[in-house]
Amino acid sequence: AQSVAQPEDQVNVAEGNPLTVKCTYSVSGNPYLFWYVQYPNRGLQFLLKYITGDNLVKGSYGFEAEFNKSQTSFHLKKPSALVSDSALYFCAAYNFNKFYFGSGTKLNVKP
Amino acid sequence: DSGVTQTPKHLITATGQRVTLRCSPRSGDLSVYWYQQSLDQGLQFLIQYYNGEERAKGNILERFSAQQFPDLHSELNLSSLELGDSALYFCASSSSDTRTDTQYFGPGTRLTVL
Repeated sequence: AQSVAQPEDQVNVAEGNPLTVKCTYSVSGNPYLFWYVQYPNRGLQFLLKYITGDNLVKGSYGFEAEFNKSQTSFHLKKPSALVSDSALYFCAAYNFNKFYFGSGTKLNVKP
Repeated sequence: DSGVTQTPKHLITATGQRVTLRCSPRSGDLSVYWYQQSLDQGLQFLIQYYNGEERAKGNILERFSAQQFPDLHSELNLSSLELGDSALYFCASSSSDTRTDTQYFGPGTRLTVL
């Protein structure tokens, strides 16, 4: 079965420290990969996507993601976390006309 | 504000009933996507329409149907509702039918089935 896994339900990090939110995928072919953020009581917002090319993708709000084909991973990163980054983050994969979403990771950035 | 609007914001109904959720895409966007977000199933892609035609289907139940009208707004119809249909339903839009286009999400409709 095709799936996207976010192994951590929650990630805690101190403001100013680097953050990583993990994502691995089990989707056949060469899926497109996405990261979205969801703030409380709001819809999802697009952060970044990987289609092809450079394995390091830069996105909105200083986020970037590293694609690793051999490990089928697409981890979200930010060099210096902000309290305002606290939200729910979703990884997604798209292939063969279908989207597959991870279960989400809650990021808590403490002052 | 993404520019995508969804109505109503909240909907409370009973099992067995039918409801219609409405979505207006961003100005100029031709594609509309529907998603369901529930506690047990997480976020699931339901269906996509492009310029009035169905383009992709995800995990949409047979009790659910959608359409996109000539003015590009879309409606998601949920019938014979069950308790498990309680969820947040999101609509998103993008400019083309390429699913890799950036999708802009609406604020969602929270459906509660009692």
